[in-house]
Amino acid sequence: AQSVTQLDSHVSVSEGTPVLLRCNYSSSYSPSLFWYVQHPNKGLQLLLKYTSAATLVKGINGFEAEFKKSETSFHLTKPSAHMSDAAEYFCVVRTSTNAGGTSYGKLTFGQGTILTVHP
Amino acid sequence: EPEVTQTPSHQVTQMGQEVILRCVPISNHLYFYWYRQILGQKVEFLVSFYNNEISEKSEIFDDQFSVERPDGSNFTLKIRSTKLEDSAMYFCASSKRLAGDVNEQFFGPGTRLTVL
Repeated sequence: AQSVTQLDSHVSVSEGTPVLLRCNYSSSYSPSLFWYVQHPNKGLQLLLKYTSAATLVKGINGFEAEFKKSETSFHLTKPSAHMSDAAEYFCVVRTSTNAGGTSYGKLTFGQGTILTVHP
Repeated sequence: EPEVTQTPSHQVTQMGQEVILRCVPISNHLYFYWYRQILGQKVEFLVSFYNNEISEKSEIFDDQFSVERPDGSNFTLKIRSTKLEDSAMYFCASSKRLAGDVNEQFFGPGTRLTVL
């Protein structure tokens, strides 16, 4: 079984300061990991993804995430927050196909972290 | 840029009524999904669909739910007899493949279903 835990339900930062959104995952097999962002009244937009290539993944709008297998973490960072970054962020895991079973693409979501950016 | 679209954006219905939520996936995608998010809860997987049949479904996806791809572009979710607890935001998603570099799922803006 797979699961995702986002360690903070709310994060508040000042504009221009770094952002850190924490995510830990549990997966029986080699996972694919994603961060999605949802702005108010908008759909879920893919920020970045990890699919077993480079462990440091760069996404859109200056966001990055590092896959750390030993810590089962996939934290999202940005060096300098912008007002437009205010949104809800979801860490998502998808278990890859394996010899013992089949995955048809089911995504498992964390509970979300609301990011507030103060001027 | 191609995107997933969903209609309606908001649906209000009476308990016991049937509703159909509609989605138009990205045109060259082959895999289709429905998820839902009850207010204040996590986004939950409902069902995946490929080659005109259900590939995987969750425990939530009981006999009251069905999916269909009635033509080459639409993908629908039907709830036969709605319950109060079906009130949620329903997201449609599509992907080109299941695995590899292009396996990411693209989501629509959602349909907010309110059951009274």
